Amino acid sequence: IAGITQAPTSQILAAGRRMTLRCTQDMRHNAMYWYRQDLGLGLRLIHYSNTAGTTGKGEVPDGYSVSRANTDDFPLTLASAVPSQTSVYFCASSERDGGRGEQFFGPGTRLTVL
Amino acid sequence: GQQVMQIPQYQHVQEGEDFTTYCNSSTTLSNIQWYKQRPGGHPVFLIQLVKSGEVKKQKRLTFQFGEAKKNSSLHITATQTTDVGTYFCAPRSDYKLSFGAGTTVTVRA
Repeated sequence: IAGITQAPTSQILAAGRRMTLRCTQDMRHNAMYWYRQDLGLGLRLIHYSNTAGTTGKGEVPDGYSVSRANTDDFPLTLASAVPSQTSVYFCASSERDGGRGEQFFGPGTRLTVL
Repeated sequence: GQQVMQIPQYQHVQEGEDFTTYCNSSTTLSNIQWYKQRPGGHPVFLIQLVKSGEVKKQKRLTFQFGEAKKNSSLHITATQTTDVGTYFCAPRSDYKLSFGAGTTVTVRA
């Protein structure tokens, strides 16, 4: 089934630990995105990639890093997790970059940092 | 990033009634998208508006882009329980989408 998968579905993490959230799409979309969703704040862009091999910072990039080694995968890494990074994380992709096209979202990862 | 305000934050609607949610910006927008997120789910694309004054309809949903391209609205007629969820506007800003805080809709049967 075409779409976006994310792993894990949920995770409880001790503060200070390193964590990588995985995201894979099979639609051959050029652009991919990571958002975090917190109550009352909507979706905030963390990092994005317009094409394989390139990445860019979004609205709230601090404490997060990404890589885009190929078209399909876009992992998000928390080098040293802090409680303020407790959130629901959504990965998304779109055929067109630059906010011009429909974005397809994965099911999300619920992360709790204690 | 783009500052956009969505109102109201919460909308409690009697089944069968109409309601409207608004998205307002202080600057001119190149385009705006709308998404719906069901409780416990992920955002799903509804529509994209590009032209000044544009109006698009999807069954009971009517989307409008203001003449000055600074605001947008979503009007739902004859609300059903399937309309429950959070509706986000997402204007394009700095070549990225910037999501509003959303309007969360609950429906009384």
